[in-house]
Amino acid sequence: DTEVTQTPKHLVMGMTNKKSLKCEQHMGHRAMYWYKQKAKKPPELMFVYSYEKLSINESVPSRFSPECPNSSLLNLHLHALQPEDSALYLCASSQFQGLNTEAFFGQGTRLTVV
Amino acid sequence: AQSVTQLGSHVSVSEGALVLLRCNYSSSVPPYLFWYVQYPNQGLQLLLKYTSAATLVKGINGFEAEFKKSETSFHLTKPSAHMSDAAEYFCAVSERGSTLGRLYFGRGTQLTVWP
Repeated sequence: DTEVTQTPKHLVMGMTNKKSLKCEQHMGHRAMYWYKQKAKKPPELMFVYSYEKLSINESVPSRFSPECPNSSLLNLHLHALQPEDSALYLCASSQFQGLNTEAFFGQGTRLTVV
Repeated sequence: AQSVTQLGSHVSVSEGALVLLRCNYSSSVPPYLFWYVQYPNQGLQLLLKYTSAATLVKGINGFEAEFKKSETSFHLTKPSAHMSDAAEYFCAVSERGSTLGRLYFGRGTQLTVWP
């Protein structure tokens, strides 16, 4: 199983709402990532979790709050977002050990902030 | 930080023609190199990767890439394009050593295939 599952696929939220994006992998990967992708642009790294600990935060605004409840799950909690936060949010996981360095991506959550 | 350059934001080919998508990296130490494909409104799918073995790497869907250290390049090719190859292609690198596998992406190349 080389699948990363993201839910929901689409999300529309108001600027005062609180919502969460979920990501799950069962490949035993040690690292999990959140990327943000705007239209016609490459993905931009937001957060990296390694062994369930937050290892990299790319100066992401506090209205985005990541959480890693266990080694298979990764959440992204959203609160008081702005319209410019509308984007495709991609979750990925990787073993990043030896030659197994590739990241596997989920299908993404298309977020629209209104 | 790593830097990845993809020459040509748009490439158009006829069905059956050769596909060549260019990627150059900037690092004195060869990084791990990847090509990903993204179809509209979907995630990224790994096409192929270079770690440290053979310099000619074969991937899925008939794609291959050749690592050339002297040119710091990792260009993606396919001998004969198919309509289903139309998509966005990203070259990406990650540094060797403990960098938690973070990826640095090129800006992407949109491949159009004409019938």
